[in-house]
Amino acid sequence: GEEVAQTPKHLVRGEGQKAKLYCAPIKGHSYVFWYQQVLKNEFKFLISFQNENVFDETGMPKERFSAKCLPNSPCSLEIQATKLEDSAVYFCASSPSPEVYGYTFGSGTRLTVV
Amino acid sequence: AQSVTQPDIHITVSEGASLELRCNYSYGATPYLFWYVQSPGQGLQLLLKYFSGDTLVQGIKGFEAEFKRSQSSFNLRKPSVHWSDAAEYFCAVGARDNYGQNFVFGPGTRLSVLP
Repeated sequence: GEEVAQTPKHLVRGEGQKAKLYCAPIKGHSYVFWYQQVLKNEFKFLISFQNENVFDETGMPKERFSAKCLPNSPCSLEIQATKLEDSAVYFCASSPSPEVYGYTFGSGTRLTVV
Repeated sequence: AQSVTQPDIHITVSEGASLELRCNYSYGATPYLFWYVQSPGQGLQLLLKYFSGDTLVQGIKGFEAEFKRSQSSFNLRKPSVHWSDAAEYFCAVGARDNYGQNFVFGPGTRLSVLP
């Protein structure tokens, strides 16, 4: 399809529980990016993929966050042992070539940790 | 590394008035520049982008932006604002030498439109 599909739209987890978010990029887009948007609107880059390979993971808190983009499956972002400060909207974006086309964003997953 | 600032946190304009949203970037070479709009509870929609060539770029919904290298700016403009333009606007900068190709987003400018 022509949209980046993110599921679920909303996710509520108790502190310490696991959270898993999914992203289906647009078919043919080889780059996938994950961003975290906190309440003050700041977009924090987490990780990027080129196909199934991690391209840049400099923004990932590696002790609790992990991500995958496997062939023929939606990409996923997993948070082990969630903390209150993980509450945010997580956006996935995809692109065939970011420097030419920019990103196409999904509508986001709102994670609330209580 | 690149960075971007949006000096105005919140702007209010009357419907039909003109609009200019400011964006300043810091980067050692010519960057890629983007403007995105986010409506409440929604993802981001690309309004326009600059890569090279003509420094005045046209986008969707009647928006345009001008890249000014001397001022390190990429301000967004619209001659006549509509009530439906009320949203959050984000400027983003991409670095041509960024191996990871991730963009840096500004803090956003919230636009309110008075009837």
